[in-house]
Amino acid sequence: TQLLEQSPQFLSIQEGENLTVYCNSSSVFSSLQWYRQEPGEGPVLLVTVVTGGEVKKLKRLTFQFGDARKDSSLHITAAQPGDTGLYLCAGARDTGNQFYFGTGTSLTVIP
Amino acid sequence: NAGVTQTPKFQVLKTGQSMTLQCAQDMNHEYMSWYRQDPGMGLRLIHYSVGAGITDQGEVPNGYNVSRSTTEDFPLRLLSAAPSQTSVYFCASKKGRSRDYEQYFGPGTRLTVT
Repeated sequence: TQLLEQSPQFLSIQEGENLTVYCNSSSVFSSLQWYRQEPGEGPVLLVTVVTGGEVKKLKRLTFQFGDARKDSSLHITAAQPGDTGLYLCAGARDTGNQFYFGTGTSLTVIP
Repeated sequence: NAGVTQTPKFQVLKTGQSMTLQCAQDMNHEYMSWYRQDPGMGLRLIHYSVGAGITDQGEVPNGYNVSRSTTEDFPLRLLSAAPSQTSVYFCASKKGRSRDYEQYFGPGTRLTVT
């Protein structure tokens, strides 16, 4: 059983469209991270959010941590083909020694 | 800096064989970890280490052993491989145990057990 469930599992959209990826849990996390992974490579960290209700923006990407620190979302505005990849959320429950990863969302942006 | 390196990149084993997956980092990071990635399940933590001589179990430790004799290296041992261990294995490191440090991942080892 995964602690973190992501939805949707697969997403295929046209260039220029907006999208939102969700990361949900019944557990509380002290921090939540988002990663992007490209085929044949390891995940690369995009952002870390640590405060309930926190919103962080990274160019066209907006990340939000839920007020209760049980869920998070990633919103991409005007998606580009370079955004294609596997998006993973990961939560730390206490000290940061153990991270629990979500099930992943595979995004394809069609030119 | 090479970052986090893993060898081999690909490996095929027969059931019951043993092998060691190598992981090294040149960033002087205290914290290192091993994950396995299976389709539809994200990454799951196998073992981690917060410093030389200190290791602990993650979510899915059964069938795997680790040791940390130096800061740089964190090998993962499969003593008797099973088909259920077919997966992509990632090693990661970060500066310390704090949740605020960025975790850097290696390129992965794709293991098939027949």
